[in-house]
Amino acid sequence: EVQLVESGGDLVQPGRSLRLSCAASGFTFGDFAVSWFRQAPGKGLEWVGFIRAKFYGETTEYAASVKGRFTISRDDSKSVAYLQMSSLKIEDTAVYYCTKYGGMADSWGQGTLVTVSP
Amino acid sequence: DVVMTQTPLSSPVTLGQPASISCRSSQSLVHRDGDTYLSWLHQRPGQSPRLLIYKISNRFSGVPDRFSGSGAGTDFTLKITRVEAEDVGVYYCMQSTHFPWTFGQGTTVEVK
Repeated sequence: EVQLVESGGDLVQPGRSLRLSCAASGFTFGDFAVSWFRQAPGKGLEWVGFIRAKFYGETTEYAASVKGRFTISRDDSKSVAYLQMSSLKIEDTAVYYCTKYGGMADSWGQGTLVTVSP
Repeated sequence: DVVMTQTPLSSPVTLGQPASISCRSSQSLVHRDGDTYLSWLHQRPGQSPRLLIYKISNRFSGVPDRFSGSGAGTDFTLKITRVEAEDVGVYYCMQSTHFPWTFGQGTTVEVK
């Protein structure tokens, strides 16, 4: 069974950093891209960023709202993707989800809550 | 950025009756590889989103056949032939043809 489990969410102050993890199982992790999404409380879904598979250079794409502050990486040997978040803002408060991506964003995890508050 | 516009934003339905949601994009979603990366997702209250339809009309594994997607270019539709109680929640269209990927505002389906 394909499964992705997000972790690392926490309550942090504005300006601080946090790293989220996305642990995958049930498929060949290295063959797929990984994307991160988020959902602020009571709001809709927002795409955060994307990392291609190693075959495609592990290159990344980011939403303008996080570009320069967030970095996505992956460790295929551990089947884990990471979302390194720095210079966090109050508006980054959201549940963060990761998905595998092979032409479609499937297998959403339960998400991990990041709260940015003074 | 590609703007995705869903209509209606709220859809009160009677169980057993059909429902339809429209999604329009501000530019063509045909990728240079020839595919159209338009997906539909469903989020039940308090749950994570789940993929229903990908590439316009392909049902994801385990999705009941009462769900169907159609459309082309900039106009897309999700149809539910007979709404069941478990279908309530918010439906989103999402394009992953152009970066940044973007979502529609969401359509809330609720039972009358």
